[in-house]
Amino acid sequence: GAVVSQHPSRVICKSGTSVKIECRSLDFQATTMFWYRQFPKQSLMLMATSNEGSKATYEQGVEKDKFLINHASLTLSTLTVTSAHPEDSSFYICSARTGINQPQHFGDGTRLSIL
Amino acid sequence: GQNIDQPTEMTATEGAIVQINCTYQTSGFNGLFWYQQHAGEAPTFLSYNVLDGLEEKGRFSSFLSRSKGYSYLLLKELQMKDSASYLCATNSGGYQKVTFGIGTKLQVIP
Repeated sequence: GAVVSQHPSRVICKSGTSVKIECRSLDFQATTMFWYRQFPKQSLMLMATSNEGSKATYEQGVEKDKFLINHASLTLSTLTVTSAHPEDSSFYICSARTGINQPQHFGDGTRLSIL
Repeated sequence: GQNIDQPTEMTATEGAIVQINCTYQTSGFNGLFWYQQHAGEAPTFLSYNVLDGLEEKGRFSSFLSRSKGYSYLLLKELQMKDSASYLCATNSGGYQKVTFGIGTKLQVIP
């Protein structure tokens, strides 16, 4: 089946640090990947849609200069949380699908804690 | 906009059957997903319904009524490991945007 790898799984760092999270589709090519954020006891909130070779599409209220997305190849998308602050602490999850009308397959998520 | 409603919590007994309901209101509806999410983990795919009716996959079945904006996930022969959150999600629009409900936290008790 479709496998999505995400790392690191956990990051703890000081306020002001920039953190990069990688999302890879291991056995399929993904022209589109998705980045979600989930706060405790809340639903998955779509942050942005990452498009290979073009700019990401951000959801309303998500700062594109704060959350930099790069989708340089058909198997890799990265999310960089720039100058992270404690309020950015959350569970970040990426996903990819193999095609239109296909389910999204999720990475294992990255738990980000900013001190 | 998108609106998805599902119960926040349910409790059921090991070996029993439980039905988790989901109602939705969305434009450009393509289909409905169900995902399972254990605490602290990423969601895993359970089912995807595009057409009306019931689809069975082992102990899990999912039903969709497009005209009523209604779906349910049916879990049979409940096991303790089924304790998790179950997320209902709509796929809508030409860009196939997926929107998740808040999830139903199911607790299976002995």
